[in-house]
Amino acid sequence: QKEVEQNSGPLSVPEGAIASLNCTYSDRGSQSFFWYRQYSGKSPELIMFIYSNGDKEDGRFTAQLNKASQYVSLLIRDSQPSDSATYLCAGPDTGFQKLVFGTGTRLLVSP
Amino acid sequence: DAGITQSPRHKVTETGTPVTLRCHQTENHRYMYWYRQDPGHGLRLIHYSYGVKDTDKGEVSDGYSVSRSKTEDFLLTLESATSSQTSVYFCAISERGGVGSDTQYFGPGTRLTVL
Repeated sequence: QKEVEQNSGPLSVPEGAIASLNCTYSDRGSQSFFWYRQYSGKSPELIMFIYSNGDKEDGRFTAQLNKASQYVSLLIRDSQPSDSATYLCAGPDTGFQKLVFGTGTRLLVSP
Repeated sequence: DAGITQSPRHKVTETGTPVTLRCHQTENHRYMYWYRQDPGHGLRLIHYSYGVKDTDKGEVSDGYSVSRSKTEDFLLTLESATSSQTSVYFCAISERGGVGSDTQYFGPGTRLTVL
């Protein structure tokens, strides 16, 4: 089964800084990944989807997929205290019936 | 928001009792999933369903069973609850099982405590 790994953190950044969250994966054939945000006590919510190499931008969020190095990252520009949450990376498992999730990185943005 | 509800939202039970959690969707999605989430372990898949009466095991299926008699309902049963099954349980749905940009949408979760 594919594996997806993340540093559990916490990653602490000051308000206004760029937060960089990373995820590595084991399956070289993976072409798509999802980033979810999960606030404490809440369910995960999708924030970004990226397919194939390169960058994808959506507002303050940029997802990057580097297939050669087998990592996917999420950059959050102008970080806000409201961005403080756990960020989960996920990719389709072989057979495309389910997703494999990383354990999540906890982000803390201090005012 | 995707139309997913879970019931109950909170439950406290005793070791050895049976427990059934319900997930209900109004999106008519084919795939449904049950996860548990514990500190340090992230989301772990218990069982999933790829259609009515079609289910398969996930990575932590021991002690759990599921049933799906209708598209909209996916039930998770703990036949004899143990303290190790104390967790937060999330249901998720997906239209195409993760093909392409298809993603999973999560329900609000059920917090289960087994004493």
